[in-house]
Amino acid sequence: EPEVTQTPSHQVTQMGQEVILRCVPISNHLYFYWYRQILGQKVEFLVSFYNNEISEKSEIFDDQFSVERPDGSNFTLKIRSTKLEDSAMYFCASSEGRGGAETQYFGPGTRLLVL
Amino acid sequence: AQSVAQPEDQVNVAEGNPLTVKCTYSVSGNPYLFWYVQYPNRGLQFLLKYITGDNLVKGSYGFEAEFNKSQTSFHLKKPSALVSDSALYFCAVRDIDFGNEKLTFGTGTRLTIIP
Repeated sequence: EPEVTQTPSHQVTQMGQEVILRCVPISNHLYFYWYRQILGQKVEFLVSFYNNEISEKSEIFDDQFSVERPDGSNFTLKIRSTKLEDSAMYFCASSEGRGGAETQYFGPGTRLLVL
Repeated sequence: AQSVAQPEDQVNVAEGNPLTVKCTYSVSGNPYLFWYVQYPNRGLQFLLKYITGDNLVKGSYGFEAEFNKSQTSFHLKKPSALVSDSALYFCAVRDIDFGNEKLTFGTGTRLTIIP
């Protein structure tokens, strides 16, 4: 069964450093998402992406964050200058279509620790 | 605005007994509702969803959920619990009428099945 994959599984970085989290969505999916889960808290929506454009973003997704689909398979989340409060599990998801009924399929997550 | 409440942080059930994990939602319009499960060190796995039609939805691993519009609830159920059902369960909602792409998650319920 096709799966969303994410790399790395864990990343430790120093405050102020840039990090890039990578995702490979399911191959025939066209809509891509990033969510995050701070330890002990809810899973929160960050951004959705379609046709090389951001289609929706939350208030969390400020200028420090960016997303890109650099090639036909990868989808990346970049944090330009990490803060301590960026420490969280970051989940990538993808869906075949855009409608509200579409199921989003999630990857295993990248655990980011900012020191 | 859309929101989800999972009133129980922890649910313990004896193996073989029926289980219920509760979820209530709030949307301005009409909801699409989802259940996901998270096993240790794994991503969010889709279990089932309610879109329209029959209020009782059947999903993976023998789980089902009942949509109740008057009570704004979408409780997850299983007739006979297995030890392997022990995991973290998340309810999520999307508001149909506002065209949101994002899923809004509850805080999660940790289900423990006692042998």
